Amino acid sequence: DTGVSQDPRHKITKRGQNVTFRCDPISEHNRLYWYRQTLGQGPEFLTYFQNEAQLEKSRLLSDRFSAERPKGSFSTLEIQRTEQGDSAMYLCASSRLADEQFFGPGTRLTVL
Amino acid sequence: GIQVEQSPPDLILQEGANSTLRCNFSDSVNNLQWFHQNPWGQLINLFYIPSGTKQNGRLSATTVATERYSLLYISSSQTTDSGVYFCAPERGGGTSYGKLTFGQGTILTVHP
Repeated sequence: DTGVSQDPRHKITKRGQNVTFRCDPISEHNRLYWYRQTLGQGPEFLTYFQNEAQLEKSRLLSDRFSAERPKGSFSTLEIQRTEQGDSAMYLCASSRLADEQFFGPGTRLTVL
Repeated sequence: GIQVEQSPPDLILQEGANSTLRCNFSDSVNNLQWFHQNPWGQLINLFYIPSGTKQNGRLSATTVATERYSLLYISSSQTTDSGVYFCAPERGGGTSYGKLTFGQGTILTVHP
């Protein structure tokens, strides 16, 4: 298996701009997860998909955040009107049903 | 949600020493994973261990689900073991299947 990939690896943006991140899961993994990690903390769950269905969203995911997985393969996470508090590492993971999760390298977002 | 507490928060060792990291969780869980986060932020899977004991080289893990804790043992530590170790139980139930809750991590530093 090739691993989970994420693009871009780093993103620097100005406050108020929109950003979009992409995650490509391990092929045949039908679950895909997004987490956010800030400095000195463990990752926090944001949302997850089973195939193309978004099954759960954390209360951390404000209205400015939206995630899609249109064909049950790759996923995108969009943040609109970015704020400095959005600066974090955004991690994607994938798994088979009820199985071990494998993480991508993450996208580090810096909002100036 | 489930509470996860890891100890110790920081650990400094000389190369060759052994160590035990502990993870306590507040509720019954379906599964539990241990990860090592390297200095570049990549989460590396160590163990997927809902119960029992597993070993992989110099590392082993034990989860006692009925008593709500898991232990990670590192023997003959090497400098490359340095990084942050996270445990992440999955509570399960309803739409929470697959949702990992991470502890704060243990920062391990191994000196040559």
